[in-house]
Amino acid sequence: GAVVSQHPSRVICKSGTSVKIECRSLDFQATTMFWYRQFPKQSLMLMATSNEGSKATYEQGVEKDKFLINHASLTLSTLTVTSAHPEDSSFYICSASGQNNEKLFFGSGTQLSVL
Amino acid sequence: SQQGEEDPQALSIQEGENATMNCSYKTSINNLQWYRQNSGRGLVHLILIRSNEREKHSGRLRVTLDTSKKSSSLLITASRAADTASYFCATDMDTGRRALTFGSGTRLQVQP
Repeated sequence: GAVVSQHPSRVICKSGTSVKIECRSLDFQATTMFWYRQFPKQSLMLMATSNEGSKATYEQGVEKDKFLINHASLTLSTLTVTSAHPEDSSFYICSASGQNNEKLFFGSGTQLSVL
Repeated sequence: SQQGEEDPQALSIQEGENATMNCSYKTSINNLQWYRQNSGRGLVHLILIRSNEREKHSGRLRVTLDTSKKSSSLLITASRAADTASYFCATDMDTGRRALTFGSGTRLQVQP
């Protein structure tokens, strides 16, 4: 199946710093990428939909200035958590689909811990 | 908002037994998918069932879909310790959006 690479897998940072997470589709062109957030023992919550070459669409309650998404190419989307605070500590997972592809392929996730 | 609810939230069985997980959802869907997640890892796609299908098999997995009841079940037969993971249903809602909405998940523990 298609491969989605996400890194870093784990990051620990101080409060107030910004963290960038990359999501790459390795063997297909991802016209759309999705960013999810997952708290321990909970489900995945959609944060935003990232479309190549256009602005991301954010879910209700997700601050676009806090979580900056860039999808500059068909194989790369980035999520930047700006001025991170301890409450931003979570597991962030990206997923991608190609054109006319019903399945989503997931990255391995990034565990963010903000001290 | 979260689309699906799953039950049970947690399930512990012995190796060799069957495991059944249920998922309910709220709105019309194009398809329903099941994913597996090992602790702290990404998700692995298991099976997709379309809204016009009622049952689907893949190896030891059997999925049913009842659109009249807005529910689905995942059956894992002859479970193995390696099946220990969290299982999520996800719906592709009939809204034109392509994002999946995930259920609350079932944590399965298979005792060797």
